Amino acid sequence: EAGVTQFPSHSVIEKGQTVTLRCDPISGHDNLYWYRRVMGKEIKFLLHFVKESKQDESGMPNNRFLAERTGGTYSTLKVQPAELEDSGVYFCASSPGQGSLQETQYFGPGTRLLVL
Amino acid sequence: AQSVTQLGSHVSVSEGALVLLRCNYSSSVPPYLFWYVQYPNQGLQLLLKYTTGATLVKGINGFEAEFKKSETSFHLTKPSAHMSDAAEYFCAVIRSGGSYIPTFGRGTSLIVHP
Repeated sequence: EAGVTQFPSHSVIEKGQTVTLRCDPISGHDNLYWYRRVMGKEIKFLLHFVKESKQDESGMPNNRFLAERTGGTYSTLKVQPAELEDSGVYFCASSPGQGSLQETQYFGPGTRLLVL
Repeated sequence: AQSVTQLGSHVSVSEGALVLLRCNYSSSVPPYLFWYVQYPNQGLQLLLKYTTGATLVKGINGFEAEFKKSETSFHLTKPSAHMSDAAEYFCAVIRSGGSYIPTFGRGTSLIVHP
C-alpha cells in the first residue's frame, strides 16, 4: 500500500511568486491534514479536510494560503504571493474514519519550500 | 491551550548507550501524549502513544515512554541505542475533549556515535 506522497519534494521560489503543493493521501482515507514546520520551530497545524470539506482551518496563517481538496482525493495548498516567512517544510497527513483519537495520522515526507 | 517542551534540540549518544529524550507538557485537562520519529527523507511515524491506562507505554523499535502526571513529563527512553535510531523525534500532546489535532514540540535530533 502506498503511503502519503507529496510533490514537489523541494521548491525554491522568489518572493511574490506562486507555489502549489500537492498531497496524495493513502487511498480511502477521508481525513487529510496540512501542517507546517518553520526551521527550528514546532510543527504547526494548518487545516483539516474531511473528504472535500474543510473541517478546521484555524491554523491557516492568512489569506495568501488556499487549500483545496476537490473530489475528496488529493489536496493542493497554494501560496500566493509567497513571502519570506512562508519558508519551511509543509507536511501532509491522512487518516481513515472519523479522525478520532484512536486513529493514527500517516505523514508524508514533506515539501521543503524556500522563498528567496 | 496546551504546549510541549522538548529539552535539547540535539542529543548525542554512543551506540549501545541509554537513550533519553525529554518531553514536558502543559495542559489544563488530562492530555493524550505521543512520540513521533522522522527518519531522513521520510514522513513522521508514530512511535508510541499514551491515552489512558498503564502509564508506561511501549512502542516500536524498543522505545518506551512513561507518563508522569506529577512531573508533567513523557520522556522517551531506549536501553541501548542503535545506529539506525539516528533521526528526529517529536513529542506531541492532544487535549482531551478537544479536536484531535496534535500540538508538537520543536523536535530533538538524536545522533548515535559508533
